[in-house]
Amino acid sequence: AQSVTQLGSHVSVSEGALVLLRCNYSSSVPPYLFWYVQYPNQGLQLLLKYTSAATLVKGINGFEAEFKKSETSFHLTKPSAHMSDAAEYFCAVRTGGFKTIFGAGTRLFVKA
Amino acid sequence: EAGVTQFPSHSVIEKGQTVTLRCDPISGHDNLYWYRRVMGKEIKFLLHFVKESKQDESGMPNNRFLAERTGGTYSTLKVQPAELEDSGVYFCASSQEKGAGEKLFFGSGTQLSVL
Repeated sequence: AQSVTQLGSHVSVSEGALVLLRCNYSSSVPPYLFWYVQYPNQGLQLLLKYTSAATLVKGINGFEAEFKKSETSFHLTKPSAHMSDAAEYFCAVRTGGFKTIFGAGTRLFVKA
Repeated sequence: EAGVTQFPSHSVIEKGQTVTLRCDPISGHDNLYWYRRVMGKEIKFLLHFVKESKQDESGMPNNRFLAERTGGTYSTLKVQPAELEDSGVYFCASSQEKGAGEKLFFGSGTQLSVL
């Protein structure tokens, strides 16, 4: 069975600092992996996805994530945090079926 | 292009009452999904429509929940009778792509509070 674990329900960084949001997955077959972001009062929107091409995936707003099979990880990073990055971030996994499995989310706070 | 819209945005009802949530997917999107998030936990899959047919309803909690998608356009999710544990945010998502790499487009959700 597939599952997703996001380490840390809350992460706080200073503006301009590195953002690192951690995600580990469990899947018996090669997975498709996603990061979604939810801004206040909005629906989730796709940041980036891994679909077995390049292991380093670049997304919108300067975010990127690296697929590491040996570590079963798909951590999300951004070199320099901006106030507008404050939101909740969800890691998700999907295999051949139509069901996307989401993690519990990590809320990112950005301090001025 | 209009996004996925959900109505109402908030609903407060008493235990035992009935509530109907509505989702209008992006026009032309055959896939429609319902998800639920309870008290800051993970977003859990409820069910999946392809056009008007239920493809997978394995995530529906029990028979108090009924989802329909008449004509393959908008969808409704009815909870009857509502219980306290049904409280949470109900998300609808739609997609056009086929395959495991599909991008989901989400609505902003309906916050359901059962008192």
